[in-house]
Parts: sequence; C-alpha cells; structure tokens
Amino acid sequence: DAGVTQSPTHLIKTRGQQVTLRCSPKSGHDTVSWYQQALGQGPQFIFQYYEEEERQRGNFPDRFSGHQFPNYSSELNVNALLLGDSALYLCASSSRPSRGEKLFFGSGTQLSVL
Amino acid sequence: EDQVTQSPEALRLQEGESSSLNCSYTVSGLRGLFWYRQDPGKGPEFLFTLYSAGEEKEKERLKATLTKKESFLHITAPKPEDSATYLCALSQGRGSNYKLTFGKGTLLTVNP
Repeated sequence: DAGVTQSPTHLIKTRGQQVTLRCSPKSGHDTVSWYQQALGQGPQFIFQYYEEEERQRGNFPDRFSGHQFPNYSSELNVNALLLGDSALYLCASSSRPSRGEKLFFGSGTQLSVL
Repeated sequence: EDQVTQSPEALRLQEGESSSLNCSYTVSGLRGLFWYRQDPGKGPEFLFTLYSAGEEKEKERLKATLTKKESFLHITAPKPEDSATYLCALSQGRGSNYKLTFGKGTLLTVNP
C-alpha cells in the first residue's frame, strides 16, 4: 500500500520564480493538507483540500495557492518566490468523515530559493 | 490564540536512561493532542492521539499522557534508534474542517 508520495523531492528556484509541488494521497484518503516546515521549526498549516475545494487556510499570503484533482491528488503553487519561502513542504492525507486528524505525511519537497 | 510549547528543545540521553518530554498547551476546547516522530529528511510519523485529560497510550518504549494543560511523552530505557525529533500538535477546527498546530519539537539524541 503506497503511502503519501510527493514530487519532486528537492527543488532549487530563484527569487521571483513560480513553483508547483505535487502530492498523491495514501490509498483510500480523500483529504489533502499542505504544511510548510522551516528549519528548526514545527510544520505550519497552509491549507486543506477536500472535494476539490479549499476548506481551511492558514496565515499564508495569496501567493500560495492549491488545487485538488478528482483522483484526490493535489498541487501546491507558490508565485513570486521569496528567500523566506525556502523550507520543507509537507503534504498530509487523511480520510473523512471521521475525527480525521490522524494525518499521514509524505517525505516532503525541500525547496531552496536563491 | 491556541499555542503549543515543547520543552526541552533538545535532550541527550544515554541508552537505557529514561526521561520525559513536555508539551504544554493553551486551547479553547481541546479536540485532540497528537504526538509525531520526525526523522531527518522525512515527514512526521504518527505516534499517538489523546482526546481527554487522564488518557494514556503506550507503544513499545513510549507512553503518552494528557492533563488539562500539558502532555508528556515518557521514554523508558531508550535505544539509539529512538533518536529523532518528537513533535506535539493540537487539532483545531470545526466539524470536519481541521488543522494541526505544531510545537517546535524536541530533538532527542540517544547515545549508545
């Protein structure tokens, strides 16, 4: 049973560029959440997608956007990259309805902005 | 605002030396408290969920407990393979819309 898969694993971009990160949820899961983890910090919630709609959003600017596809996979897009966007981006999946909070995380995409 | 504070930031133990990690929190209505383990370069791995004060859960050398203001992760006779960052998180939200608010974690190093 494949877990949560993310691609690419590493990415290097320059300031001002745009990036797209991809996530496939664990089999049987229909909800995808994205988190940003800066070095030495805990993950911070970006947003959550369910039924192809953004259901909840954290304190991130509109430069961060996402999408969920009918097969439940998801993309995270970041426009106008800043140096401060350098971080590990984690995708987590879960199944609804339930208490649902047991999130399964992927190994993340390490984004470096130069 | 709901907050999660973990202590200590880092902890070094000798193999077999038991200890505890602390997670203190402030939240308006606890929905769930979670413990995750994170190895370098990996995503967090789920360990436990606790829902109400007095609840305890165990897995191998780990035991998580919960009070109204804090949670402890007790590590009994740790081994080097227990070395990792341990993250505590609160669940927030309404209905089926939720998110996890994480602490900064405790970096545990167990020396052989």
